Order: sequence, then structure tokens, then C-alpha cells
Amino acid sequence: NAGVTQTPKFQVLKTGQSMTLQCAQDMNHEYMSWYRQDPGMGLRLIHYSVGAGITDQGEVPNGYNVSRSTTEDFPLRLLSAAPSQTSVYFCASSYPYGELFFGEGSRLTVL
Amino acid sequence: AQSVTQLDSQVPVFEEAPVELRCNYSSSVSVYLFWYVQYPNQGLQLLLKYLSGSTLVKGINGFEAEFNKSQTSFHLRKPSVHISDTAEYFCAACGSTGTASKLTFGTGTRLQVTL
Repeated sequence: NAGVTQTPKFQVLKTGQSMTLQCAQDMNHEYMSWYRQDPGMGLRLIHYSVGAGITDQGEVPNGYNVSRSTTEDFPLRLLSAAPSQTSVYFCASSYPYGELFFGEGSRLTVL
Repeated sequence: AQSVTQLDSQVPVFEEAPVELRCNYSSSVSVYLFWYVQYPNQGLQLLLKYLSGSTLVKGINGFEAEFNKSQTSFHLRKPSVHISDTAEYFCAACGSTGTASKLTFGTGTRLQVTL
């Protein structure tokens, strides 16, 4: 029972590099979202999706892109990484008003 | 839009003592409320949630929370804590016409339980 799987768990980038954080869930959840966690700031919503082909911006979307071509996958793309994007990123999925199931997180450092 | 305030960034407590973690919210619409726990180097997991009905909500691991609409609060309590309760706790909210995938989180309270 995998739940929500995030890869990679750790990544170091140089400023200006691009990368994709992968997220996959096997619970057939319609809703998926990406949060970033920074010390003293809790979790902040980056982007979310209410179903395949439908995405919307959260609180801190700048510098990030998402797409949702399948129910299972919700990748987060950083097109040109900046030091301000150093953070721990969490992907989550849920049914409407249900429990959010979180992945184990991806720790990103941008030098 | 909602906002969530957790009034204490850290709460130290002795094992077997009671604890209360405070959470206040503000919203122009009805809200659904959640408490999540994060153990070191892990993702978050749900402790309990309030959607409607009884204002006293019981969750996992002996935790409970009370929804108080007049005081816009949703404080988390446990009558007797254990060392294993040491973790970070997050209060979260979403509008009742929104989705739980669009939660607004508080900044977290670190519960440190010692002998």
C-alpha cells in the first residue's frame, strides 16, 4: 500500500537549473496538492488540482508549474531555481473534505 | 480566505501531564478545521477533523479538540501526554465550499514531552 510517493527525497540544484519533483498516488484520489514547508511558516499551498486536466494556483505559485495529465500523477516543475526555493516540499492527495494523505517530502537546496 | 493562528510556537510539558495546543482562525465563511501531526523527518498525518455536528471531536492517540464558533477557536487537548507525543502539530482550515486540498495551515506548535 504505497499511498503518496514523492521522488527524489533529496536534491541540490544550482541557481538557474530546472527540475521536476515527482508525485504519484495509488488511492484514486481526485484532489492533489503541493505544499512547501519553511521554518516558522508552516505549510503554504503552491498549486492544487481537483482532477485530471484541472489545476489552480495556491498561495505561493510563482516560480512553479504543474500539470495533471492522469489521476495518479501531479509533478511540480521548477523552471529556473532560485535560493528562495530552498525548502521541503510535500505532495498530498485526498477525497473532497477528506483526510489529506501526505508524501514523505522532498528536501530541495538551491545554491 | 481563511487565516489560522497558532499562539504557541513551542510547548514543553512533562510526561503524564495534560496539554492544550491553541488554535484560532478567521474566516468570512463557514470553515472546516483540522489538526495534523508531523513526526521528525516525516510527512503530516491527520489527528482529527471538524466538519459539522458535535463541537467536541475525538481523534487518534487520545487527542480531542473543541470547536468554539463564538471564540473562533479549535484548541487541541490531551489529558495525559506520553514521550511519543513529541512532534510538531499543525492546525489547518478550509472554507466549507472549498476543498481539503486547499488547506490553510498555521505555523505549527512544537510539543516537547520530557520525563
